[in-house]
Amino acid sequence: NAGVTQTPKFRILKIGQSMTLQCTQDMNHNYMYWYRQDPGMGLKLIYYSVGAGITDKGEVPNGYNVSRSTTEDFPLRLELAAPSQTSVYFCAGGADSSPLHFGNGTRLTVT
Amino acid sequence: AQTVTQSQPEMSVQEAETVTLSCTYDTSESDYYLFWYKQPPSRQMILVIRQEAYKQQNATENRFSVNFQKAAKSFSLKISDSQLGDAAMYFCAYRSAWGTDKLIFGTGTRLQVFP
Repeated sequence: NAGVTQTPKFRILKIGQSMTLQCTQDMNHNYMYWYRQDPGMGLKLIYYSVGAGITDKGEVPNGYNVSRSTTEDFPLRLELAAPSQTSVYFCAGGADSSPLHFGNGTRLTVT
Repeated sequence: AQTVTQSQPEMSVQEAETVTLSCTYDTSESDYYLFWYKQPPSRQMILVIRQEAYKQQNATENRFSVNFQKAAKSFSLKISDSQLGDAAMYFCAYRSAWGTDKLIFGTGTRLQVFP
């Protein structure tokens, strides 16, 4: 009963390093999303995908890239990490009118 | 573009009492969904309750109920018989019934529950 799984749970990066946040879902959802949550704030949409091979920008896409080669996986790539990208990242999946299912989040610190 | 506003950054309630969290939203759409999510210190995003805009009846889930006022674009959450485990951040969220299903979140309300 995995749902949406994110890895890693925590990561510390140095400025300029790159990394990929992994997200996989086993619910066969078409829609997948990446959100970031800054301290004391709500979630802001980074990128989303409506199906394999299709991605689109959300509210705050700068500094990130995504791909959706399969229905199950939706990785988020940071190419040149910056302190402004210190945040908690959530992946979510959904289908039609059903509520979104969220992963448990990745806490990323860039120093 | 749609927006969601939560005007109460923090609220507090005593155990067993009732508290209401406010949420307003702005949209030109007539068909949409509204949600309340709970985020405890564990960071999990937990769905509390959901309301379809086309339904006039307010949604209820055990101790949680909403007051949905479509004309006023208001969607408040009432927690009855508050428990210590209700302490968390609560987020109101909007989703269009058409398109990509992305959720738009408010900034959240931190609820404290005192014994």
